[in-house]
Amino acid sequence: NAGVIQTPRHKVTGKGQEATLWCEPISGHSAVFWYRQTIVQGLEFLTYFRNQAPIDDSGMPKERFSAQMPNQSHSTLKIQSTQPQDSAVYLCASSLDWGRAETLYFGSGTRLTVL
Amino acid sequence: DAKTTQPDSMESTEGETVHLPCSHATISGNEYIYWYRQVPLQGPEYVTHGLQQNTTNSMAFLAIASDRKSSTLILTHVSLRDAAVYHCILRVQGGSAKLIFGEGTKLTVSS
Repeated sequence: NAGVIQTPRHKVTGKGQEATLWCEPISGHSAVFWYRQTIVQGLEFLTYFRNQAPIDDSGMPKERFSAQMPNQSHSTLKIQSTQPQDSAVYLCASSLDWGRAETLYFGSGTRLTVL
Repeated sequence: DAKTTQPDSMESTEGETVHLPCSHATISGNEYIYWYRQVPLQGPEYVTHGLQQNTTNSMAFLAIASDRKSSTLILTHVSLRDAAVYHCILRVQGGSAKLIFGEGTKLTVSS
């Protein structure tokens, strides 16, 4: 079991460019979550999927951010027209069955730097 | 989810047993106590959780007070790899996916 895999580990973009972050959850886990972490804001919830369906995206900035889960083995977080304030560590996590088995297993994160 | 209070930092030496306290005076009856830890450049790592009874696993022992207003994470025979920020959080099963990590307790382990 390799755990939650996130790629790339580091990404540097110029202001206005697009960034796509990838997450491979633990096999068999039905829930996938996206968070971002900064020193100032701490850990912020963005969105989550259950059985590939979007359940709660209340933490997603309304513009420029989108997340998808096209199949059970991966999810993507896309940020269009990146801004310096988007710089953060983006964390993906998965859970066996959110609502009953709620332990979250986090990936190592993708550190996004927007210049 | 109710608020928790933890000391900012604690120090220990390899091989010692460490007691990390967490206060949650306003905990609700259906809130679980979860512990995660995080080291720099890594995502948070699950340590353990409990509701009312003490629990133990390969990583730690969780002692929960009888009134549930406090808990203690006990790490035995700590090693350098146990150095991390330890977060105590409360969760309602089936509740929001928003996790509120406070500052946590930074555990320093010296050799």
